[in-house]
Amino acid sequence: KQEVTQIPAALSVPEGENLVLNCSFTDSAIYNLQWFRQDPGKGLTSLLLIQSSQREQTSGRLNASLDKSSGRSTLYIAASQPGDSATYLCAVRLQGGKLIFGQGTELSVKP
Amino acid sequence: SQTIHQWPATLVQPVGSPLSLECTVEGTSNPNLYWYRQAAGRGLQLLFYSVGIGQISSEVPQNLSASRPQDRQFILSSKKLLLSDSGFYLCACPRDSYNEQFFGPGTRLTVL
Repeated sequence: KQEVTQIPAALSVPEGENLVLNCSFTDSAIYNLQWFRQDPGKGLTSLLLIQSSQREQTSGRLNASLDKSSGRSTLYIAASQPGDSATYLCAVRLQGGKLIFGQGTELSVKP
Repeated sequence: SQTIHQWPATLVQPVGSPLSLECTVEGTSNPNLYWYRQAAGRGLQLLFYSVGIGQISSEVPQNLSASRPQDRQFILSSKKLLLSDSGFYLCACPRDSYNEQFFGPGTRLTVL
């Protein structure tokens, strides 16, 4: 059974710091991995999608990596800003199409 | 591009009352559609998914049901709500062949 774990559960950093969010999954047979952002009371916004054959994806200050063999993904946020404060969720898509989510990392960037 | 609409945005219902949440999708045809629930302090749980009109698969046995009366409409229902049904309900569909999952704005349901 696929399980997705995100560490840490919460993170508080000062503005300007570079930071890394971690996601691990137990079964390497995934179709892709997706990182989302969720603001309080809002829906999920897709940040980055990494196909199982890819190693990383970049969008602006965000970089996501995938190491399928070790069951790990990281989301790197460069030069963090208060506007980056949100909950970040990772999810793996199984071959059958189902998405399995982690519990999320709640990020707070202090001005 | 695809747009997902959900209605209502918020809902407060008494225990034992019925429920109907609606999700409609624009900008795509014959999408796979998903209902997720996010309970307070917990991750997202897949409830139902549909690959076409009238085709519903249930992931979690419970007092909720889903229907897909039209290609781009997905409805989540209950005949009698429980306190444990409170949560944030999200509709989702993948974007074309990339299978990048997109989510609607969600419905906040509080059962009292």
